[in-house]
Amino acid sequence: AQSVTQPDIHITVSEGASLELRCNYSYGATPYLFWYVQSPGQGLQLLLKYFSGDTLVQGIKGFEAEFKRSQSSFNLRKPSVHWSDAAEYFCAVGAANQGGKLIFGQGTELSVKP
Amino acid sequence: NAGVTQTPKFQVLKTGQSMTLQCAQDMNHEYMSWYRQDPGMGLRLIHYSVGAGITDQGEVPNGYNVSRSTTEDFPLRLLSAAPSQTSVYFCASSPPTGGYNEQFFGPGTRLTVL
Repeated sequence: AQSVTQPDIHITVSEGASLELRCNYSYGATPYLFWYVQSPGQGLQLLLKYFSGDTLVQGIKGFEAEFKRSQSSFNLRKPSVHWSDAAEYFCAVGAANQGGKLIFGQGTELSVKP
Repeated sequence: NAGVTQTPKFQVLKTGQSMTLQCAQDMNHEYMSWYRQDPGMGLRLIHYSVGAGITDQGEVPNGYNVSRSTTEDFPLRLLSAAPSQTSVYFCASSPPTGGYNEQFFGPGTRLTVL
């Protein structure tokens, strides 16, 4: 079955510390992978995406993610977290020619300590 | 471009009432989708459409109807609201170019069913 797992429901980091949010997927086809961020009461904003090519992808707001096919993972990283990064983060997977269909993980809520 | 717009932003219904959540996009996207977001469950696909006149079911379609008479609009109908349909509903659209399914999300509709 197709699925996305984000093992951490809630993470707290100190401002300035590094961050890694985990995402594992199970998908039969070649996956297209996404990270979205949702601030409280807001919609979803795309942080970055992976379709093919270089397995380390850069996104907005200083985020990056690395696709590891052997581990079925697509972890999100940021070297130095800012207080404004506090939000909920969602990993999602789709496939070519599967327009309109994404499978989302459960989300990871990030809190940032001053 | 206004992007993806949703109305209303908030709605309270009584059990058994019907209503339509509106979604429109002005980006000429072929693909449109409806998701619901519940705590701890991420976003789950309700229905999606790959073009005008074509719709299909997602993961949680029961209790919801959709139609797609134009490229721009993709309304979601609740036929007889139930408390289990209390959720935040997101509409999304994506272009079919290259088979990508990067989705652009609306701001959401928060629905409470009493």
